[in-house]
Amino acid sequence: TQLLEQSPQFLSIQEGENLTVYCNSSSVFSSLQWYRQEPGEGPVLLVTVVTGGEVKKLKRLTFQFGDARKDSSLHITAAQPGDTGLYLCAGEASYGKLTFGQGTILTVHP
Amino acid sequence: DAGVIQSPRHEVTEMGQEVTLRCKPISGHDYLFWYRQTMMRGLELLIYFNNNVPIDDSGMPEDRFSAKMPNASFSTLKIQPSEPRDSAVYFCASSPRVETQYFGPGTRLLVL
Repeated sequence: TQLLEQSPQFLSIQEGENLTVYCNSSSVFSSLQWYRQEPGEGPVLLVTVVTGGEVKKLKRLTFQFGDARKDSSLHITAAQPGDTGLYLCAGEASYGKLTFGQGTILTVHP
Repeated sequence: DAGVIQSPRHEVTEMGQEVTLRCKPISGHDYLFWYRQTMMRGLELLIYFNNNVPIDDSGMPEDRFSAKMPNASFSTLKIQPSEPRDSAVYFCASSPRVETQYFGPGTRLLVL
């Protein structure tokens, strides 16, 4: 069983601060996705990374895939209250199956 | 375009009753996934279909759970009989390829 560990589990910060969420595993993934989920809704895909060392930027969000394709990070610059939510990483280790991390609950206070 | 549609959005039932959850995937998507989300276990894949055929059901907890996809636009997840430990949010997701999944709003199930 491939496990993905996310840290931290909870993050409470003030508007304007920067933050980083980590997603680590001992397994190699062919691709890794980051999702954001709001209360009462399903997860929404933010990004997919597939190449070791790949860096993708989505406005204030920067995603990095580790060189060995076992870990990833999500960095948010100048967080805003609208960034509040549950952030999930998910790795594809075998075709068709995504393994999800436990998630990071982010709260950004105005 | 309509996203993934799930019904009902909320279901409250008593232990031992049959529960049927429904999903309409996005038109043109070949893959359909059923997930369960709980605080303790997070988001878990139960089963997924490709072109209406079940490919991997290793995540289905036990024989009380069954899933069908009679056509490309409809899938069901059935629990019979239901138990309190089945209480969770059940998500359906569809995708044109595995790594790009679009989730529905979920069905919040409470078994008393």
